[in-house]
Amino acid sequence: GAGVSQSPRYKVAKRGQDVALRCDPISGHVSLFWYQQALGQGPEFLTYFQNEAQLDKSGLPSDRFFAERPEGSVSTLKIQRTQQEDSAVYLCASSHNRGKGRNEQFFGPGTRLTVL
Amino acid sequence: SQQGEEDPQALSIQEGENATMNCSYKTSINNLQWYRQNSGRGLVHLILIRSNEREKHSGRLRVTLDTSKKSSSLLITASRAADTASYFCARTRASGTYKYIFGTGTRLKVLA
Repeated sequence: GAGVSQSPRYKVAKRGQDVALRCDPISGHVSLFWYQQALGQGPEFLTYFQNEAQLDKSGLPSDRFFAERPEGSVSTLKIQRTQQEDSAVYLCASSHNRGKGRNEQFFGPGTRLTVL
Repeated sequence: SQQGEEDPQALSIQEGENATMNCSYKTSINNLQWYRQNSGRGLVHLILIRSNEREKHSGRLRVTLDTSKKSSSLLITASRAADTASYFCARTRASGTYKYIFGTGTRLKVLA
């Protein structure tokens, strides 16, 4: 079966531009996560959905970051008025269980965002 | 910010040698997982070890967990050039069971 897919794979934005990153989780997976990975670092948690409910957005770095999952499947991470420090790889992961941490998270290939 | 560290940060070995990388953390965990990340690609799950387990094996991989020392190690035996990648440990805290906390990773290079 298909894994987690993300689009676009690469995005170059001019500073101040808005961007939208898409994540298609594995079909039937309840939990969906977004992570941000800076160059040479490990991923850092941004936000977590259980179905369509955003249960934790504590990792979003500013109010310019917004995520949604309106129908409990596809998710979009939107970044408004992008800044150079937003340049990173944005990883999406999904998990079958209800976020209890007992099952692995399956990661997509990521979207590499470069803000000029 | 991330809790815990992997060490070494970088490791270069010859094909056929064993590679050991370590992960330390600060808070009590629910479970700990090791992931591999090839350049420009997503994270691939390797092994999950629960807080009540001490050792797990999967093929050429061996993971140990010492909760008293708050540390874990990943051993890759008989390494191959294809093992060249970054390796991350990720843990879920005992108090919050869903989000992963990643370390900074170990960049392994296996020379043919």
